[in-house]
Amino acid sequence: DPKIIQKPKYLVAVTGSEKILICEQYLGHNAMYWYRQSAKKPLEFMFSYSYQKLMDNQTASSRFQPQSSKKNHLDLQITALKPDDSATYFCASSQNRDWGSQNTLYFGAGTRLSVL
Amino acid sequence: DAKTTQPDSMESTEGETVHLPCSHATISGNEYIYWYRQVPLQGPEYVTHGLQQNTTNSMAFLAIASDRKSSTLILPHVSLRDAAVYHCILRGGTGSKLSFGKGAKLTVSP
Repeated sequence: DPKIIQKPKYLVAVTGSEKILICEQYLGHNAMYWYRQSAKKPLEFMFSYSYQKLMDNQTASSRFQPQSSKKNHLDLQITALKPDDSATYFCASSQNRDWGSQNTLYFGAGTRLSVL
Repeated sequence: DAKTTQPDSMESTEGETVHLPCSHATISGNEYIYWYRQVPLQGPEYVTHGLQQNTTNSMAFLAIASDRKSSTLILPHVSLRDAAVYHCILRGGTGSKLSFGKGAKLTVSP
């Protein structure tokens, strides 16, 4: 059973609309992350959260807003969608944000967003 | 995160042992060497990691050079399911993010 659940798996949106990508992790982890992967490009770090608090933000646009309603939830709200936002968005988690010997990052299966 | 260098691609045949090299000449003392792999339409999957000593698990053996400037991921008896893009990543310090590059695409033929 997947321990990091992302919903929906596929999402089609029209330009200018707003969507929310859902992520829940059942690993008991305290840190959660969002990454984005556009077509044929490397995975790109977006945000990190630790104990429901934003720690790192590498996304220039304020149209991307993470939301953490529970410790094991980190949703991603995207407003005023553009075709360039089309990508696969991956949620990830780790035991803690501080990296050590056993603090591995685990990824969900992703949400594939297409903006028309 | 410091930079790593990997070949763009490698080819193998089922049953072979594959050696995936990674160069990290400017690695810092507190940086761990992580390997992830990714197949199309799926998220990256953790393979292994190490600091100084060679490590082994059910998926792979990680050989780390004594000067830590290079490492090799060894995949014994590869199958078609091992075909993926393999990422060698350095990660260390508090809060430093995991940065992915292009990785090395491993092709496995029957």
